[in-house]
Amino acid sequence: DAGVIQSPRHEVTEMGQEVTLRCKPISGHNSLFWYRQTMMRGLELLIYFNNNVPIDDSGMPEDRFSAKMPNASFSTLKIQPSEPRDSAVYFCASSPGTSMNEQFFGPGTRLTVL
Amino acid sequence: DAKTTQPPSMDCAEGRAANLPCNHSTISGNEYVYWYRQIHSQGPQYIIHGLKNNETNEMASLIITEDRKSSTLILPHATLRDTAVYYCIAGFGNEKLTFGTGTRLTIIP
Repeated sequence: DAGVIQSPRHEVTEMGQEVTLRCKPISGHNSLFWYRQTMMRGLELLIYFNNNVPIDDSGMPEDRFSAKMPNASFSTLKIQPSEPRDSAVYFCASSPGTSMNEQFFGPGTRLTVL
Repeated sequence: DAKTTQPPSMDCAEGRAANLPCNHSTISGNEYVYWYRQIHSQGPQYIIHGLKNNETNEMASLIITEDRKSSTLILPHATLRDTAVYYCIAGFGNEKLTFGTGTRLTIIP
C-alpha cells in the first residue's frame, strides 16, 4: 500500500488566495483526520471524519477553513481566503476506524502564505 | 483523551537502550497508550500502542505500569536514526489524539 497520499507537498500562495489541500487515505480505512503543525502551537487536530461524515470540527480555526470528504478515498481541506498566519504543515492521517487502531500519517503539505 | 506528561529532552548513547518515560495518571480504563515519533519535517510515525499488557514489536517495547498511570517506551539498541521527537498519547485511534510537546531524543555517537 502506498500509505496516505497528500498533495501538493509544498504550496506557496499570496494572502487572500484560495488554497486546497488534498488527501487520499489508505484503502479500507474508515477514519480520516486533518492536523496542522506550527512551531507555536505544535500538532493540533482540525477535524476528523468517520465513514465520510464529519464527527468533530471543533479544531477548525474559523470559517475560512472547510473540509469535505465526498467519498471514502478522497478528502480536501480548503482555506479561503488564506492569511499569513495559516502558514504551517498540514497533515492528513487515516485509521481503520476501531478505537484500538493507530493513525497513519501522510507526509504533509507545507503551506506558505505570503 | 487523558493528558500526558513527558520530559522535554533526553540524550542516549548510540547502541544503548533508550528509555522514554510518560505519565498519564488521568487515563481512563479503556483508553490506549500510543507512541509516535516525528523525525524533522516528516509526518508522525506510529511506533507501538497498548492497553494493559506490555507490548513489543520490531521497533520498540512498551511497558505499562499495573495501575496504568505511566508507561515507558524502550528502544533496545538506539541508532542515530532514532533521533526524533517522541510523543506519548492516551486516547482512541478512531478519535482525536492530542499530541503534546513530546520528548526530544538525541542519540549521541
